[in-house]
Amino acid sequence: GNSVTQMEGPVTLSEEAFLTINCTYTATGYPSLFWYVQYPGEGLQLLLKATKADDKGSNKGFEATYRKETTSFHLEKGSVQVSDSAVYFCALKGYSSASKIIFGSGTRLSIRP
Amino acid sequence: DTAVSQTPKYLVTQMGNDKSIKCEQNLGHDTMYWYKQDSKKFLKIMFSYNNKELIINETVPNRFSPKSPDKAHLNLHINSLELGDSAVYFCASSQDLGGGMDEQFFGPGTRLTVL
Repeated sequence: GNSVTQMEGPVTLSEEAFLTINCTYTATGYPSLFWYVQYPGEGLQLLLKATKADDKGSNKGFEATYRKETTSFHLEKGSVQVSDSAVYFCALKGYSSASKIIFGSGTRLSIRP
Repeated sequence: DTAVSQTPKYLVTQMGNDKSIKCEQNLGHDTMYWYKQDSKKFLKIMFSYNNKELIINETVPNRFSPKSPDKAHLNLHINSLELGDSAVYFCASSQDLGGGMDEQFFGPGTRLTVL
């Protein structure tokens, strides 16, 4: 079945550092891939998505590229801010409307001023 | 305008009690979900409804019963609460855009504490 594996946290960085959170997936067919972010005390919200191979999703300075050859969708940001402190979830959804979204286990990110 | 709302935000109750959590979405979406998030932030889907019809029912104790009176509402009733039910419960909704592209919109969560 479909699955998502993302790097375990917590990840602690200093402000303006470069961020990478790794995510790899296993799926049949051509799933859509997502990154969701959960700020403290809130529900998840979509950060970015990509729906086919080589697509790059981007939002708020974050980027992720859909790499079919390595089955990866790593999240990157060139210069993190304290306000980026949150839990980040990688997710995938199969092409069929009947397929459910599969979330990774989440990675907690803390940014030091 | 709140897109997906849940009530209550906090729920503290004794073991053995029965409680309900309500969810409403004003986005016009066809599909609604309930998720359970444990203390380690692991998110697990419990149920999904499409146009008031149950389409996903994961391995959840039958003490949990979802009810969808219309496609804008999905409530969760829990009987005989246990300590292990303590978690944050999230409601979400989505619209099927085809091709797996649909984004899920989450409510703010209900923190349930069973004493």
